[in-house]
Amino acid sequence: KNEVEQSPQNLTAQEGEFITINCSYSVGISALHWLQQHPGGGIVSLFMLSSGKKKHGRLIATINIQEKHSSLHITASHPRDSAVYICAVGKGNTPLVFGKGTRLSVIA
Amino acid sequence: EAQVTQNPRYLITVTGKKLTVTCSQNMNHEYMSWYRQDPGLGLRQIYYSMNVEVTDKGDVPEGYKVSRKEKRNFPLILESPSPNQTSLYFCASSFQGPDQPQHFGDGTRLSIL
Repeated sequence: KNEVEQSPQNLTAQEGEFITINCSYSVGISALHWLQQHPGGGIVSLFMLSSGKKKHGRLIATINIQEKHSSLHITASHPRDSAVYICAVGKGNTPLVFGKGTRLSVIA
Repeated sequence: EAQVTQNPRYLITVTGKKLTVTCSQNMNHEYMSWYRQDPGLGLRQIYYSMNVEVTDKGDVPEGYKVSRKEKRNFPLILESPSPNQTSLYFCASSFQGPDQPQHFGDGTRLSIL
């Protein structure tokens, strides 16, 4: 079974800083998901990647299949980016395996 | 609006009293799944369904049942709830499987006393 490790577990940043959250996994995958969970509890899918890089607004996600590693970057961070960011990996129809999440606090 | 709807959002109940958490999606998705989220353990899959009448166990199925009689609905049933099932539950769906973008419900916070 895949093991998913996220780092850091907790991150505090000043508004405007560039943020990087990392995700490593142990077994080959067909898809990697980045999810965002706000303090209210709801979960939103940010990206799904199988290779390369995706960008949406101030968010950028990259994946290196050979190194079994993905990063989520937030440019010009804002207090509304404060949330828990969760990485999840999957292969075919096998159930997704989730990391434990990175708690981000952005201070104005 | 495309959405996954869970009900109830919050429930406090007692040990042994059967309960059902409903999940409905309006996107004609084939794949639906249930997760529980616990502090320090993250999200874990309870059951999933690849299509109507097709369900399978996830990582933590004990104490839960599901059914998929219609494409849009995937209820989670706790026949005899126990305190260790106190958790935050999420239903999710996607077009065809776990390696496609997932759409999550808003969550159901269950407390079993």
